[in-house]
Amino acid sequence: DIVLTQSPGTLSLSPGESATLSCRASQSVGSSYLAWYQQKPGQAPRLLIYDASSRATGIPDRFSGSGSGTDFTLTISRLEPEDFALYYCQQYGSSPQTFGQGTKVEVK
Amino acid sequence: QVQLLQSGPEVKKPGSSVRVSCKASGGTFRSNSINWVRQAPGQGLEWMGGILPLFGTANYAQKFQGRVTITADEYTTTAYMDLRSLTSEDTAVYYCARVGVVAALRAWFEYWGQGTLVTVSS
Repeated sequence: DIVLTQSPGTLSLSPGESATLSCRASQSVGSSYLAWYQQKPGQAPRLLIYDASSRATGIPDRFSGSGSGTDFTLTISRLEPEDFALYYCQQYGSSPQTFGQGTKVEVK
Repeated sequence: QVQLLQSGPEVKKPGSSVRVSCKASGGTFRSNSINWVRQAPGQGLEWMGGILPLFGTANYAQKFQGRVTITADEYTTTAYMDLRSLTSEDTAVYYCARVGVVAALRAWFEYWGQGTLVTVSS
């Protein structure tokens, strides 16, 4: 199975700052078969980015994704109060699909 | 607009089974795979398996092979996840999620159900 390691575990930032989240795969996920999700307490995950860099419908352009192969990044520019949440990456290039353990973006 | 509506919370005894349903509305049910993802309390997301109604066959994570069955009823546009031989470690929120690509077995999860809490306790 492909293991996804997200870093850092927790990111403490202030509104208006930028966040850079990393997702590293134990082997290539095949081109750009990686997605990012946001999850808030008591809610289902919400798709942000798919195919490493494509924004899902309705996602603000302050969210951007990049990377390929084994190294991927989610960048949130100008953090808004509603962006403080948990973020997960998911690979779907190989079966079984796997998720990272998550990065929490919290208010500093 | 695709919506996935899951069945309500369940409390089960160890050793028993649970069935969680996921009613889809909007979109074309048979064309996009429906998957099940669970999240234990305070933990991350874990893919369990999925089914593409177009083909009717399901695939499962090795961890759940033999203990989980995922089915889909095209007539009622409802997917089901049956989990057997429950233990306390199966206590989790179970989500159904529909992929964003037609006829793909693996893809990003574009739409999610609201989640169903399954509690396993004696």
